[in-house]
Amino acid sequence: DIQMTQSPSTLSASVGDRVTITCRASQSINRWLAWYQQKPGKAPKLLIYKASNLESGVPLRFSGSGSGTEFTLTISSLQPDDFATYYCQQYNTYSRTFGQGTKVEIK
Amino acid sequence: EVQLVESGGGVVQPGGSLRLSCAASGFNFDVSTMHWVRQAPGKGLEWVSLISWDGDSTYYADSVRGRFTISRDNSKNSLYLQMNRLRAEDTALYYCVRSTASYYPFDYWGQGTLVTVSP
Repeated sequence: DIQMTQSPSTLSASVGDRVTITCRASQSINRWLAWYQQKPGKAPKLLIYKASNLESGVPLRFSGSGSGTEFTLTISSLQPDDFATYYCQQYNTYSRTFGQGTKVEIK
Repeated sequence: EVQLVESGGGVVQPGGSLRLSCAASGFNFDVSTMHWVRQAPGKGLEWVSLISWDGDSTYYADSVRGRFTISRDNSKNSLYLQMNRLRAEDTALYYCVRSTASYYPFDYWGQGTLVTVSP
């Protein structure tokens, strides 16, 4: 199975900060990577698919990049609504592995 | 409006069985690939199983293969997960999830149903 490793596990930041989360795959997944946001008590929400495509309705401050084995999610200017946990997920294979998550906390 | 509503969760003893259901509405269920994803309390997301639009193809995580069975009834817009030989480590919130096709991300999620495996 493909392993997905996110870093950092926790990130403390302030409103207005630029935030970057990294996701590494144990083997090439081309660009078959998605990012999800999850808030406490809620189901995850799709933010980005195919590494860099913004899902409809997602604010433009979110962006994704990368290919192969290394990917990043960037929030250009952190807003109060963005404090949440973020997961990457590969869908290059039928076994859809997730990263372990990155919790974005208020500094 | 897209809705995925899970049911069937509860408390079960180790070694027991449980059947989860998911009622879908608001989209073309019969052409969608469907999944179960779980999340143990305070932990991350774990993909559990996938079923193709026609039910002909199914896949499982290593952790559940041989114990869980995914199925669907397109005439009822419903997805199921039969869980046998349950273990404490199966305790989690189970989400019903859609992807447009097999190699697409997860675009719609239910709110989950909680399964607790405890003596």
